[in-house]
Amino acid sequence: NAGVTQTPKFRVLKTGQSMTLLCAQDMNHEYMYWYRQDPGMGLRLIHYSVGEGTTAKGEVPDGYNVSRLKKQNFLLGLESAAPSQTSVYFCASSLASGTYGSYNEQFFGPGTRLTVL
Amino acid sequence: KNQVEQSPQSLIILEGKNCTLQCNYTVSPFSNLRWYKQDTGRGPVSLTIMTFSENTKSNGRYTATLDADTKQSSLHITASQLSDSASYICVVQARVLTGGGNKLTFGTGTQLKVEL
Repeated sequence: NAGVTQTPKFRVLKTGQSMTLLCAQDMNHEYMYWYRQDPGMGLRLIHYSVGEGTTAKGEVPDGYNVSRLKKQNFLLGLESAAPSQTSVYFCASSLASGTYGSYNEQFFGPGTRLTVL
Repeated sequence: KNQVEQSPQSLIILEGKNCTLQCNYTVSPFSNLRWYKQDTGRGPVSLTIMTFSENTKSNGRYTATLDADTKQSSLHITASQLSDSASYICVVQARVLTGGGNKLTFGTGTQLKVEL
């Protein structure tokens, strides 16, 4: 099993450009999440999904959109990138809340380092 | 506001020595507390998860403790190795009453460096 994979690993954008980050998981997890990690701050939740076709806003959703067309994939889009979106983005997945013994444990991907100039 | 504070911010120890990392939280209602290890350039990896009723949990040379009354946790690393050099993140989950998703509050991490 590959676990959680993310593409691309690195990306440099100019202000105003758009891009999509792809997350894939092969653990048949119901829930998927997108986080950003900035220096001196804990990971912050951008958007999450509790199942195929569903998405919800997290703590810092502005400037991002997401889609979950397939259970195994969760896409994060930046429509018009801004320098404030320079960050490391992590995708994670977990079993559904209430699944016995899971504690909703989240498994993280390797991250995408995004720089917006 | 839910918060997780970790100390120290960074720590340097010699290989073979022990160390203890601290975590204080103000998350309510409490569900569980996790410790993650994050190597440079990698995603966080879970070390332990503890619920309200658990005082201690071990994973090899890592032992986590939880005092739910004082809302404190510690992660003790025994006989440190160079490969223990990483950021250790304390994460607290609030109990989700309705709907799905998560209510995780992440600490900023303790950066540990193990030297020869």
